[in-house]
Amino acid sequence: DTEVTQTPKHLVMGMTNKKSLKCEQHMGHRAMYWYKQKAKKPPELMFVYSYEKLSINESVPSRFSPECPNSSLLNLHLHALQPEDSALYLCASSHQNRADYGYTFGSGTRLTVV
Amino acid sequence: GQQVMQIPQYQHVQEGEDFTTYCNSSTTLSNIQWYKQRPGGHPVFLIQLVKSGEVKKQKRLTFQFGEAKKNSSLHITATQTTDVGTYFCAGPRGATNKLIFGTGTLLAVQP
Repeated sequence: DTEVTQTPKHLVMGMTNKKSLKCEQHMGHRAMYWYKQKAKKPPELMFVYSYEKLSINESVPSRFSPECPNSSLLNLHLHALQPEDSALYLCASSHQNRADYGYTFGSGTRLTVV
Repeated sequence: GQQVMQIPQYQHVQEGEDFTTYCNSSTTLSNIQWYKQRPGGHPVFLIQLVKSGEVKKQKRLTFQFGEAKKNSSLHITATQTTDVGTYFCAGPRGATNKLIFGTGTLLAVQP
């Protein structure tokens, strides 16, 4: 299995809703990432998990809460989002110490906050 | 902070023409990676360059890493409509596995 699977593919949520984005990989990668991508912009790093522990938080607002239940799963919990948080949310994984294979990205969740 | 810029932002070519995108980092990079993102898709890893002056080829694509390890280029020979998409370079921030993406070049190919 050489894929990163993200669900849901599309999500519309109100500003008072709570929702979660899910990401799964079975490649044995021990580093997992959340990126946010706005239209016509590059992906921006949000969080890095290394061996199931949060190692990097790029000053992301607390309305985004990541979770790594095990080495294959990564979640992003969303609460009280703003319309400007509407974007493509990408999950990625990589070998912890093998950057020569690059990152494998999921197909993303297109989030619209209304 | 570390910045990775790409030029041009957008390039429109006729099918069969060549295409080049240039990537410049404000800091020295331990490696440079290249990704392609099709319209409506997600970034797909193409290649990584590690050594100063390194050149790698993948069929019609040629990748170069500069001698100072602060710039890189991607050249496509004889573009095809399947080459359409945004090409991003990306480099790690410092000694971490935080990958910082360049600003991207959108390639449009007219048949």
